[in-house]
Amino acid sequence: SQTIHQWPATLVQPVGSPLSLECTVEGTSNPNLYWYRQAAGRGLQLLFYSVGIGQISSEVPQNLSASRPQDRQFILSSKKLLLSDSGFYLCAWSLVLAGEGSEQYFGPGTRLTVT
Amino acid sequence: GIQVEQSPPDLILQEGANSTLRCNFSDSVNNLQWFHQNPWGQLINLFYIPSGTKQNGRLSATTVATERYSLLYISSSQTTDSGVYFCAARGGSNYKLTFGKGTLLTVNP
Repeated sequence: SQTIHQWPATLVQPVGSPLSLECTVEGTSNPNLYWYRQAAGRGLQLLFYSVGIGQISSEVPQNLSASRPQDRQFILSSKKLLLSDSGFYLCAWSLVLAGEGSEQYFGPGTRLTVT
Repeated sequence: GIQVEQSPPDLILQEGANSTLRCNFSDSVNNLQWFHQNPWGQLINLFYIPSGTKQNGRLSATTVATERYSLLYISSSQTTDSGVYFCAARGGSNYKLTFGKGTLLTVNP
């Protein structure tokens, strides 16, 4: 069965420091990968998605970037964190982008607090 | 892009009661999912239901795609059902899954 991991689980970082969050998927090949952010309140916002190694699509302009160095690894980064980057970051995967098999499954998340 | 609205925003029940959560979407969908976010933040998949009806234990869901809504039914609620329930939808050629703002369900013993 497929499993998705995220680390770290929690992170407290000062403003201006760099960021690297990692997501890995086990049990499947060539998954579609997604990064979401859940800010205070409830809504989830898609930040990036990737259909393959080195292929990243950005949904919103912001202080963050994403990379996919390996088939089942997705990394969210920032060179200098802002207070507004605080939130709960969730990684997700799906077999395909649309149609049957496009159901998305989420990892446990990383809670980031920028101080 | 597609708009997703959920109602009610908050719901308080006594253990054993039944409830219906609603999700309205603004356009035709090719993906609609219901999730339960537990107190630790984990999003748990409940249903993938772009159309039709599905049941899983005490939970069931119905999506009427032509009328652009989906319903999540919870029967004989338990305290462990508490949490936020999200509906998320994707339409057209857009790959983005758009989430509603969720329904916060509290089940009291």
